[in-house]
Amino acid sequence: QVQLVQSGAEVKKPGASVKVSCKTSGYTFSDNGISWVRQAPGQGLEWVGWISVYNGNTFLTKDFRGRATLTTDTSTTTAYLELRKLKSDDTAVYYCARVRNAYSESYPLDFWGQGTQITVSS
Amino acid sequence: DIQMTQTPSNLSASVGDSLTITCRASQSISSWLAWYQQKPGKAPKLLIYRASNLERGVPSRFSGGGSGTDFTLTINSLQPDDFGTYYCQQYDRSSSFGQGTRLQIK
Repeated sequence: QVQLVQSGAEVKKPGASVKVSCKTSGYTFSDNGISWVRQAPGQGLEWVGWISVYNGNTFLTKDFRGRATLTTDTSTTTAYLELRKLKSDDTAVYYCARVRNAYSESYPLDFWGQGTQITVSS
Repeated sequence: DIQMTQTPSNLSASVGDSLTITCRASQSISSWLAWYQQKPGKAPKLLIYRASNLERGVPSRFSGGGSGTDFTLTINSLQPDDFGTYYCQQYDRSSSFGQGTRLQIK
């Protein structure tokens, strides 16, 4: 069965960096992209960006360009989100989700990781 | 950027009721819309894709409709397990979510 298992919660100081992992299994990794979505406390879902495992193409929303990097490791079928220059506003649960297509971000998200709590606090 | 607006933001209904949640896009997105259900502390779950297609394993009391800018999610014969927050997502141009509709069971 398809599974996405994310790394554990982290507490970081403002200005630091964090790297969240998303280990996938149960399907051919390169057949689907991975999107990242975050949810601040008590708030709705915010789409962060997407990576095509097939060709490495990425797309990040404006708020994350220059500050976030999406990568994948096909040898371990793992996707990563790195976020730099953390601010208190980055405190949120970060989810990875499988995109129902290999080549484009414009598809629904059919399987999700359990979420990773990132807390930014001095 | 495409903005998604859901109404209502909060909803309270009884078991057996039928209800409809609306999602409006700031520009036409054809039928590139999905609906998700999220329970507290859990990841969202895909219910409907391409506006009206029921995801495998989702009960048939859920249905979606609409195209262009106006979309609906209807739940017939509400069940206790249907509580949670519902989000629409456009995936016509990149992706973005509505602000959510919180459904409470009376």
